[in-house]
Amino acid sequence: GNSVTQMEGPVTLSEEAFLTINCTYTATGYPSLFWYVQYPGEGLQLLLKATKADDKGSNKGFEATYRKETTSFHLEKGSVQVSDSAVYFCALSVGSGGSNYKLTFGKGTLLTVNP
Amino acid sequence: DGGITQSPKYLFRKEGQNVTLSCEQNLNHDAMYWYRQDPGQGLRLIYYSQIVNDFQKGDIAEGYSVSREKKESFPLTVTSAQKNPTAFYLCASKGTSRTYEQYFGPGTRLTVT
Repeated sequence: GNSVTQMEGPVTLSEEAFLTINCTYTATGYPSLFWYVQYPGEGLQLLLKATKADDKGSNKGFEATYRKETTSFHLEKGSVQVSDSAVYFCALSVGSGGSNYKLTFGKGTLLTVNP
Repeated sequence: DGGITQSPKYLFRKEGQNVTLSCEQNLNHDAMYWYRQDPGQGLRLIYYSQIVNDFQKGDIAEGYSVSREKKESFPLTVTSAQKNPTAFYLCASKGTSRTYEQYFGPGTRLTVT
């Protein structure tokens, strides 16, 4: 089956620190990979995605590269801000459509950035 | 503005009562999904629907029911058979087969006492 493992939090950083949140996956087939972000009390927002090996997704200063050889999709940001405090979810899907399209999520990593 | 709405944001019920959570989208998306979120558990799929009048069970469907009579609407009923109904419930939708990501609503926090 499909599964996503991401580093357990919580992660606490000072403003302007470098962020890495590790994510590895197991998938039957060739997955697409996503990072979602959830701010307190809200739903999830898509942060970035990559649909094939060696693709780099990027948005709002965050980046993640699809590494097929290590089955990883680690999230990075060079300089975090207080406003980046949220829960981050790594997710995968196999197939782009059809009756069995589903997302498989990791358990989430809580990031707190202090001023 | 296009998007997904869930109402209400907070819902309180007594044990033994059924409760229906609303999910509406005006994105013209075919597929819709319901997830349950518990602390430290990530998101777990309850039900999903790829097309009107059709839906499939997800990983934790027991104690829940859904309907999909209209493309825009996918209500979820939490029945009295659900043993631990207190949770944060998220609805999502997805567009055509050429797109990959799901778009999420703001969620409903259900508390059953």
